[in-house]
Amino acid sequence: GAVVSQHPSRVICKSGTSVKIECRSLDFQATTMFWYRQFPKQSLMLMATSNEGSKATYEQGVEKDKFLINHASLTLSTLTVTSAHPEDSSFYICSASARGGGIGYNEQFFGPGTRLTVL
Amino acid sequence: EDKVVQSPLSLVVHEGDTVTLNCSYEVTNFRSLLWYKQEKKAPTFLFMLTSSGIEKKSGRLSSILDKKELFSILNITATQTGDSAIYLCAGAQAQKLVFGQGTRLTINP
Repeated sequence: GAVVSQHPSRVICKSGTSVKIECRSLDFQATTMFWYRQFPKQSLMLMATSNEGSKATYEQGVEKDKFLINHASLTLSTLTVTSAHPEDSSFYICSASARGGGIGYNEQFFGPGTRLTVL
Repeated sequence: EDKVVQSPLSLVVHEGDTVTLNCSYEVTNFRSLLWYKQEKKAPTFLFMLTSSGIEKKSGRLSSILDKKELFSILNITATQTGDSAIYLCAGAQAQKLVFGQGTRLTINP
């Protein structure tokens, strides 16, 4: 099956610093990558969708200047949390999909997640 | 607004019991209904359901979709402690997934 990796798996940082999280598709070309956030005991909330080579589409309520997404290649997307604050502490999960034929749903493959703690 | 609602939110049973988890959805441009199991990390894929009335099975797990009632269930028979997890269902649009809030299942020995 398709494999998606994330790095780092866990990061602790001071308030005000920026943190970059990488998401890589290891054995397929991901035309679309998704970034989710999950707070404790809550479900996955989609933050943004990014297509390779174009600007990310952010969900309502997600600040695009705070959560910078770069999808520079078909195997790598990065999420940078700028000027992180304690309320940004969360579990961030990326997923990747490849464009398929037909009109069906394009399956997403999830990375293992990154736990961010902002002190 | 797209939404997916799961019930119950939490369920505690004894090993060997059978459980049924529920998922209702209202998702525009609906393509499929997906079930995931989440332990400590990212969700792992269980089932994708696209057609009504066709049961999908994998070992002790099975799932079915009712596109008329906009509803799906996930059944787990002869539960084991390793089944303890959060079970998520998601409605799939062409690209996006809309997740429910999950059911936290605890299996006691």
